[in-house]
Amino acid sequence: RKEVEQDPGPFNVPEGATVAFNCTYSNSASQSFFWYRQDCRKEPKLLMSVYSSGNEDGRFTAQLNRASQYISLLIRDSKLSDSATYLCVVTTNDYKLSFGAGTTVTVRA
Amino acid sequence: GAGVSQSPSNKVTEKGKDVELRCDPISGHTALYWYRQSLGQGLEFLIYFQGNSAPDKSGLPSDRFSAERTGGSVSTLTIQRTQQEDSAVYLCASSLGSTGYYGYTFGSGTRLTVV
Repeated sequence: RKEVEQDPGPFNVPEGATVAFNCTYSNSASQSFFWYRQDCRKEPKLLMSVYSSGNEDGRFTAQLNRASQYISLLIRDSKLSDSATYLCVVTTNDYKLSFGAGTTVTVRA
Repeated sequence: GAGVSQSPSNKVTEKGKDVELRCDPISGHTALYWYRQSLGQGLEFLIYFQGNSAPDKSGLPSDRFSAERTGGSVSTLTIQRTQQEDSAVYLCASSLGSTGYYGYTFGSGTRLTVV
C-alpha cells in the first residue's frame, strides 16, 4: 500500500464552483501534513500546511482527520488560475516528506 | 540566494554516459533533499542531507547514483552509466532546520533525458 494515496481526478469544474478532494495516508504516526501545488512542467510549491484544527487561507480550506487518516482540500469560488495538480504531502519522520501522486483540477471558463 | 537554484535545467545524454546535476539551496537552509519525478508519477525520495552528511540515502535506486554536499551548501547528484529509465525530472529542495515541519522549497528541477 502506498504511504499517501490520492484520487488522480481530473476534477473538471466551472469558474466559481467549489471543488473538494481528499487524500489518505497509511502511517498513523505521521506528524505533519501539507498541500503542495504543481503546475505543468513546474516544481511543486507549498500551498498550505494542514493543522489538526483545520485551517483556511483565503479560498482554500484544509482539514485533517487523524482518526480516519485523511486530509482534505476545499477550493471555493474556483478561478482559472487554480488549474493545477494538488499534491498531498505527509511527513512520516522528522524530515522526509512523502508525496501523493497528485489530484488534477481543471477550472473552465 | 533567494531560491533554490538547479543546473542544468535540461540535460540530454547518451545511454552509458555519466551526468552531474547541481543544486544550490537557499542560504542558511541546513537540510537538502533530492527527489525525482517521472512523467505522470509522484515524487520519489532519493537522498537527504543535514549539513554535509547524508543520514538517509535509502532512496538512491542503484549504486550508479551518488550525491555529495560540500560546505553545507551546494550539492551534486551524479549518475554513472546512465540508463533510459533514469530519464526524469530531478528536483532538489531545501528546508530550514532538520524538520520538514516548515515544508520544503523546491528548485525548478533538471529534466534529464537519456537517449
